[in-house]
Amino acid sequence: DAMVIQNPRYQVTQFGKPVTLSCSQTLNHNVMYWYQQKSSQAPKLLFHYYDKDFNNEADTPDNFQSRRPNTSFCFLDIRSPGLGDAAMYLCATSRDLAGDGEQFFGPGTRLTVL
Amino acid sequence: GESVGLHLPTLSVQEGDNSIINCAYSNSASDYFIWYKQESGKGPQFIIDIRSNMDKRQGQRVTVLLNKTVKHLSLQIAATQPGDSAVYFCAENAGNTGKLIFGQGTTLQVKP
Repeated sequence: DAMVIQNPRYQVTQFGKPVTLSCSQTLNHNVMYWYQQKSSQAPKLLFHYYDKDFNNEADTPDNFQSRRPNTSFCFLDIRSPGLGDAAMYLCATSRDLAGDGEQFFGPGTRLTVL
Repeated sequence: GESVGLHLPTLSVQEGDNSIINCAYSNSASDYFIWYKQESGKGPQFIIDIRSNMDKRQGQRVTVLLNKTVKHLSLQIAATQPGDSAVYFCAENAGNTGKLIFGQGTTLQVKP
């Protein structure tokens, strides 16, 4: 059974056209994360939510926003995608922030910017 | 076969051999470590984890070793199979932040 679901799996957008990526989880975990992963690189954390508490990484561009309307869903909004934003976007969840549990990753959404 | 993730990003081994993938972590305060496997076009998949109060943990065909003195982590895969071909990332959890810091990643190629 899928635990972290991302839709769509592939997204094509135009330069400057806003796009929203979606993530949902069936684990009832408190924490949801968004990572950006470019080709042949490690995932890079953009931000995370602990419940409704939003935590932005210092180097995450303002172009990236997130919403978490409820426990199950979290969205990544890219306001004006540039060519450099083409990447795989990974959503992950964990039960808590303490270092005693793994993060569960979704399959990712591959974003192409034309 | 053996690799150091930072300097040898690709490890090629023969099917049936044992593989050793190495990782140097950065934060001496990190207390939880995870190995992930990522196949092409998929999200990272949990393999095994270890807490800082342990130096070895075994799973099915996999063993993780932790050396806190030199901040080194390794993943050993026994009897490597073609299905093990993937990129392997180590990740460290910096204290109770919940944030995972990923290593560079090592590509494991299994030759039939």
